[in-house]
Amino acid sequence: GENVEQHPSTLSVQEGDSAVIKCTYSDSASNYFPWYKQELGKRPQLIIDIRSNVGEKKDQRIAVTLNKTAKHFSLHITETQPEDSAVYFCAASLTNFGNEKLTFGTGTRLTIIP
Amino acid sequence: NAGVTQTPKFRILKIGQSMTLQCAQDMNHNYMYWYRQDPGMGLKLIYYSVGAGITDKGEVPNGYNVSRSTTEDFPLRLELAAPSQTSVYFCASRNREGTYEQYFGPGTRLTVT
Repeated sequence: GENVEQHPSTLSVQEGDSAVIKCTYSDSASNYFPWYKQELGKRPQLIIDIRSNVGEKKDQRIAVTLNKTAKHFSLHITETQPEDSAVYFCAASLTNFGNEKLTFGTGTRLTIIP
Repeated sequence: NAGVTQTPKFRILKIGQSMTLQCAQDMNHNYMYWYRQDPGMGLKLIYYSVGAGITDKGEVPNGYNVSRSTTEDFPLRLELAAPSQTSVYFCASRNREGTYEQYFGPGTRLTVT
């Protein structure tokens, strides 16, 4: 089955600086890569996702890049703000009709230092 | 829309007891999922369903059972609770068409002692 590794497990950055979180996956057939943000005691919420036919996607201060050859993808947050402090999870899946199994990484706790 | 709802919010079980975690969604989503999240860890898929009457095992199905008799509801049954099942349980759903975004419920915090 799919295995997703996520690094680093904790990350502290000064407010206004950039943060980068990296994930690798094992199954070359995986074609969908979402990133979820989870604030303390809350439910995970999707912040951005990318499909395997695209190399990069941006949404304001957040971007995700995908390298299918190396089987890794990264989350980039620019101009970080205190409200970006949370745990971020990457995930990978093969979205095939009837086969829906998202495999999550172990999470990165991001702390923005004011 | 209420989205995805879960009950109860918290529950303490004794070893060997059984319970059902309820999950409902009002978005007419075909796909529904159950995850568990252990402290400091990511989410692990327990069971999922692609439509009423269809369920399949995820990564960690042992000790759990599910059913999907309607599009809206996807209950998770724990039989003979064990301390290893202490966790936060999240239900999620998504539409078959369009984006692949999964919408999560607020979670159920379960402690087995």
